[in-house]
Amino acid sequence: EPEVTQTPSHQVTQMGQEVILRCVPISNHLYFYWYRQILGQKVEFLVSFYNNEISEKSEIFDDQFSVERPDGSNFTLKIRSTKLEDSAMYFCASRDRGNQPQHFGDGTRLSIL
Amino acid sequence: KNEVEQSPQNLTAQEGEFITINCSYSVGISALHWLQQHPGGGIVSLFMLSSGKKKHGRLIATINIQEKHSSLHITASHPRDSAVYICAVRSEETSGSRLTFGEGTQLTVNP
Repeated sequence: EPEVTQTPSHQVTQMGQEVILRCVPISNHLYFYWYRQILGQKVEFLVSFYNNEISEKSEIFDDQFSVERPDGSNFTLKIRSTKLEDSAMYFCASRDRGNQPQHFGDGTRLSIL
Repeated sequence: KNEVEQSPQNLTAQEGEFITINCSYSVGISALHWLQQHPGGGIVSLFMLSSGKKKHGRLIATINIQEKHSSLHITASHPRDSAVYICAVRSEETSGSRLTFGEGTQLTVNP
């Protein structure tokens, strides 16, 4: 069964550094999402992406965050200048057109030191 | 008040027991998801439903749109069912298809 894959599985970065989290969505899917889960808390929506542009973003997704689909297969989340509070599990998801479920990757655990 | 409330927060059962996890939501929705999160953190989609009932193996999910309530049932529970079960809704009110998540229910099934 096709899967959403995320790399790396764990990223450790110094505060203030830029980080790029990578996702390869399921190949025929059209809608892409990033979510995050701070340890011990619920999963929160960050951003959705369709037709090469952001379709919706949450208040968490400020100017430090950006998303890109650079080559038609990868979907990336960039955090420009990381803060301690960016430490979390970041999940990528994708779905097909129509009333279809979102499929999640295994997540990237981001640790900011 | 959270848009999505789950109960119970924690549930411990003996192998073989019938388990019910509840989800209530306060907004109009176009779909509700039940998800499973294992200790490693990965999330697996179990069901997406917008009406009625769905069954997959020992798992059954029901939804009552009028009452804004859904339940996830596990029959003949097994220790491998131990995980966090999360309810998430897709609101009618947002332009996109973002999901809003509940806090999750930690299920432990003892042998």
